[in-house]
Amino acid sequence: QKEVEQNSGPLSVPEGAIASLNCTYSDRGSQSFFWYRQYSGKSPELIMSIYSNGDKEDGRFTAQLNKASQYVSLLIRDSQPSDSATYLCAVKNTGNQFYFGTGTSLTVIP
Amino acid sequence: DVKVTQSSRYLVKRTGEKVFLECVQDMDHENMFWYRQDPGLGLRLIYFSYDVKMKEKGDIPEGYSVSREKKERFSLILESASTNQTSMYLCASSSLTRPGKSHYYEQYFGPGTRLTVT
Repeated sequence: QKEVEQNSGPLSVPEGAIASLNCTYSDRGSQSFFWYRQYSGKSPELIMSIYSNGDKEDGRFTAQLNKASQYVSLLIRDSQPSDSATYLCAVKNTGNQFYFGTGTSLTVIP
Repeated sequence: DVKVTQSSRYLVKRTGEKVFLECVQDMDHENMFWYRQDPGLGLRLIYFSYDVKMKEKGDIPEGYSVSREKKERFSLILESASTNQTSMYLCASSSLTRPGKSHYYEQYFGPGTRLTVT
């Protein structure tokens, strides 16, 4: 079982819609969760971090964490073509190890 | 802003050459990491370091070594480059703690080095 799993996509949404990206993790004791955006040919860029159950909002982005279900998600409201990228979920587990999912490719259609 | 720089964006080397990839961060971060990223395999950790002169193996250390002589600099060395080491290499750094906060461990990446071994 992988430490972090994401649906590879591709996920396509129309401009202005909400994009929903999901991630599950295997270590129940994990405490720190991160979402990165990676444009083609570029390095990952941190967009959100979340540490407590519930929602955390930052502009058009909302991260949601449910530790009981071992599930973390990223919502992008009012999606723009510039949001088209691969989104990586990352988790720091109880062993202080940092694991990345393989990413979900998002395309926002104008 | 966190700034992580890598010595080269693109590098082409021949099989058997010794290759040095340099990474420098300017945020006084304790932790530094080297990953490689390949299509379909995602990011894989090669080595990491929690302090000067400290190093820990990641998931795929074979064929690589690292050096951390100064806090801001972390080098990845390919002892004898092989074609299966053609990849995107990414360096990252993170702080162990933030003032007034618990451990956050946010990792910040450099621009990456695309290495081709022929």
